[in-house]
Amino acid sequence: QVTLKESGPVLVKPTETLTLTCTVSGFSLNNTRMGVSWIRQPPGKALEWLAHIFSIDEKSYSTSLKSRLTISEDTSKNQVVLTMTNMDPVDTGTYYCARIHSGYPLGYFDYWGQGTLVTVSS
Amino acid sequence: SYDLTQPPSVSVSPGQTASITCSGHELGHKYACWYQQKPGQSPVLVIYQDTKRPSGIPERLSGSNSGNTATLTISGTQAMDEADYYCQAWDSSSVIFGGGTKLTVL
Repeated sequence: QVTLKESGPVLVKPTETLTLTCTVSGFSLNNTRMGVSWIRQPPGKALEWLAHIFSIDEKSYSTSLKSRLTISEDTSKNQVVLTMTNMDPVDTGTYYCARIHSGYPLGYFDYWGQGTLVTVSS
Repeated sequence: SYDLTQPPSVSVSPGQTASITCSGHELGHKYACWYQQKPGQSPVLVIYQDTKRPSGIPERLSGSNSGNTATLTISGTQAMDEADYYCQAWDSSSVIFGGGTKLTVL
């Protein structure tokens, strides 16, 4: 049974750095055909892809947010970590991690976490 | 940058067919996926690689992709199909989502 679960702070202050952890089970992060992605959704708005990782050497970031994002994995802990620097109130939203089955150009998100709501406010 | 455009809303009567479109430059040359999201829930994959249905997704949901448009078709629409639907494709190594379509079953 594949599961993903996000964890991290509920509230961060403007300019702070957000660190989110996705803990996965039911599949191996060593399987390079499977990756993990972070996707966010501001309240009432559309999904926005942030980043994904297939291996230590295969990562990709949203062009518009690339300077603020870092994605990494700890295969021994079955975890994928996303850091986002210089948080702003517009970054408020639900942050999801999802499994990517296959990469470009065939890939799709077949399992999603429950999401974690992050609010940016002073 | 590559954009995917969806109509903000689509309405359909129960039992009728709903079509939700997703437009992008030469989208037919890429693979399109579709996700269903109900209020307060995580998105669920309903169509992948243009036309394939994951296990557990009803046959009344189908997909197509040609030219500049991918289409999600829901035949015999039921009240349970009321949700937001998002298309998704790849632009090189980046993932692109459409803006979402709210399907209302009247």
